[in-house]
Amino acid sequence: AQSVTQLDSQVPVFEEAPVELRCNYSSSVSVYLFWYVQYPNQGLQLLLKYLSGSTLVESINGFEAEFNKSQTSFHLRKPSVHISDTAEYFCAVSDLWTGGYNKLIFGAGTRLAVHP
Amino acid sequence: DAGVIQSPRHEVTEMGQEVTLRCKPISGHNSLFWYRQTMMRGLELLIYFNNNVPIDDSGMPEDRFSAKMPNASFSTLKIQPSEPRDSAVYFCASSFSSGGGQPQHFGDGTRLSIL
Repeated sequence: AQSVTQLDSQVPVFEEAPVELRCNYSSSVSVYLFWYVQYPNQGLQLLLKYLSGSTLVESINGFEAEFNKSQTSFHLRKPSVHISDTAEYFCAVSDLWTGGYNKLIFGAGTRLAVHP
Repeated sequence: DAGVIQSPRHEVTEMGQEVTLRCKPISGHNSLFWYRQTMMRGLELLIYFNNNVPIDDSGMPEDRFSAKMPNASFSTLKIQPSEPRDSAVYFCASSFSSGGGQPQHFGDGTRLSIL
């Protein structure tokens, strides 16, 4: 069965510093990858997704993630974080071959805490 | 555009009571999902509907949980009788279709506390 591992449960970082949130998934024939962000007392919001094509995908607020098939990774990065980026980030994989629909398997989440 | 709408946002009730959570998916979406989020277990998929039909309910914890989708714009998740271990945040999500690359759009959740 597909699984997702987020290697860090918490990542503290200072404002304007770069950050990388790591995500690895178990191998599969074909997967689709997502990053979601959850702000306090809110639902999950789609940050970015990888379906096919360019292995580097970007979001509108400066985050990017790179799909690496050989390492089965989809790490999330931002060159300079803001206080407002403080949130929990979830990596998820959708494996169409498991269940036959867009079932999402989520990682445990990484809590990003940006300090002034 | 209106997103996924869940009600109530917060629910506090006593053990043994019936709890009903409600969800209105995004208009035009044909797939609906119910999740439960806890510190211990993270995000768990409870049930998936496609075109109002339950397709995958393998995540429903036990018979005390039931879910319905009487039409394309409304779904309920019911717990009867409720127990303290049911305390969690319950999310509803919808997607345009069930294709593998289709993202799911989440509501703001219902925070349920069973005393």
